[in-house]
Amino acid sequence: DAKTTQPPSMDCAEGRAANLPCNHSTISGNEYVYWYRQIHSQGPQYIIHGLKNNETNEMASLIITEDRKSSTLILPHATLRDTAVYYCIALKYGNNRLAFGKGNQVVVIP
Amino acid sequence: EAGVAQSPRYKIIEKRQSVAFWCNPISGHATLYWYQQILGQGPKLLIQFQNNGVVDDSQLPKDRFSAERLKGVDSTLKIQPAKLEDSAVYLCASSLGARSVSYEQYFGPGTRLTVT
Repeated sequence: DAKTTQPPSMDCAEGRAANLPCNHSTISGNEYVYWYRQIHSQGPQYIIHGLKNNETNEMASLIITEDRKSSTLILPHATLRDTAVYYCIALKYGNNRLAFGKGNQVVVIP
Repeated sequence: EAGVAQSPRYKIIEKRQSVAFWCNPISGHATLYWYQQILGQGPKLLIQFQNNGVVDDSQLPKDRFSAERLKGVDSTLKIQPAKLEDSAVYLCASSLGARSVSYEQYFGPGTRLTVT
């Protein structure tokens, strides 16, 4: 599975949109982009995934560039409860082996 | 819907002792995973079961770690003997069968192991 690169940390303001970047320049055509997050002292939680089209669910939106080399997870109205480590993972279809990196420590500031 | 259950939540042992962790996945989930998360790092997959068979145990230190999933439901992960570097959070996760379109994994709260 392709390697992903995320900033180690970022702050965002409560109530504003939080845009979390992820680079996956070597992603192949059959690899999905998955996002999970891990709130302190809890297990990771699935957020969203996509292949090439933009995706939206009740938690977030996922924007994937046309060349699929990068993506952005958007939390539309960040709350303090969104403070967590966010993981961007590239995963081949049919492969369940999630390879977590160090993720992006996102802190929502009041 | 009940989530993934794990016990105990915390465990402190001395090196060279044995320890076992228990996991009960979400009902109906055929696939079960054990991850190890060392402080400051992301979770690392140790072993994956599909029903009661092992699909992937390539990163399981088999000289001291063992896992089983009898009857394809509950699972136990054992460490014998424990080393200081085994101090970590052990996470269990489950998902629908491998043929499912969605590969969303549901994680339990984890067991925090401290080896002294």
